[in-house]
Amino acid sequence: DIQMTQSPSSLSASVGDRVTITCRASQSISSYLNWYQQKPGKAPKLLIFAASSLQSGVPSGFSGSGSGTDFTLTISSLQPEDFATYYCQQSYRTPYTFGQGTKLEIK
Amino acid sequence: QVQLVQSGSELKKPGASVKVSCKASGYTFSSYAMNWVRQAPGQGLEWMGWINTNTGNPTYAQGFTGRFVFSLDTSVSTAFLQISSLKAEDTAVYYCARAYYDSSGYSFDPWGQGTLVTVSS
Repeated sequence: DIQMTQSPSSLSASVGDRVTITCRASQSISSYLNWYQQKPGKAPKLLIFAASSLQSGVPSGFSGSGSGTDFTLTISSLQPEDFATYYCQQSYRTPYTFGQGTKLEIK
Repeated sequence: QVQLVQSGSELKKPGASVKVSCKASGYTFSSYAMNWVRQAPGQGLEWMGWINTNTGNPTYAQGFTGRFVFSLDTSVSTAFLQISSLKAEDTAVYYCARAYYDSSGYSFDPWGQGTLVTVSS
């Protein structure tokens, strides 16, 4: 199975900060990488697909980059509604594994 | 709009069975596979597998074989997850999520709202 490792596991930041979350795959997955946002008690929501494509309706402050084994999710200016847990997921090969999550908290 | 609506929370005793439903609307059900994802309390997301909604063929991830069964009722655009011989460690929120596919690969969108299954004596 392909292992996905996110860093950091948790992060404290302030409204207006620029934040970057990293995801590393245990082998090359080309650009088959998705990012999801999950708020407490809610289902995950697709933010970014194919490493860098913004899902319709997602604010432009979110961006993704990377290919191969190393990927990043960047939030350019944190808004209050962005405090949540973020997961990366590879869709290169089944099982479609997720990272362990990065919890973004208010400082 | 494209939507997945899941059945409500369940409280079951160890050894019992449970069947979770996921009703799709707003798109052609048989055109997209359906995934199932587990989230144990306070934990991350775990892909359980998926079912081809055109052929009914399921694929199970390791750790989800034997007691877990994916099925369909295409007449009502609904996917099902059945878990038998429930154990305390099956306590989790179970999500269905459409497998959206394009040239960039698969992504999971949308997701159902989740069904909490609690196993307790």
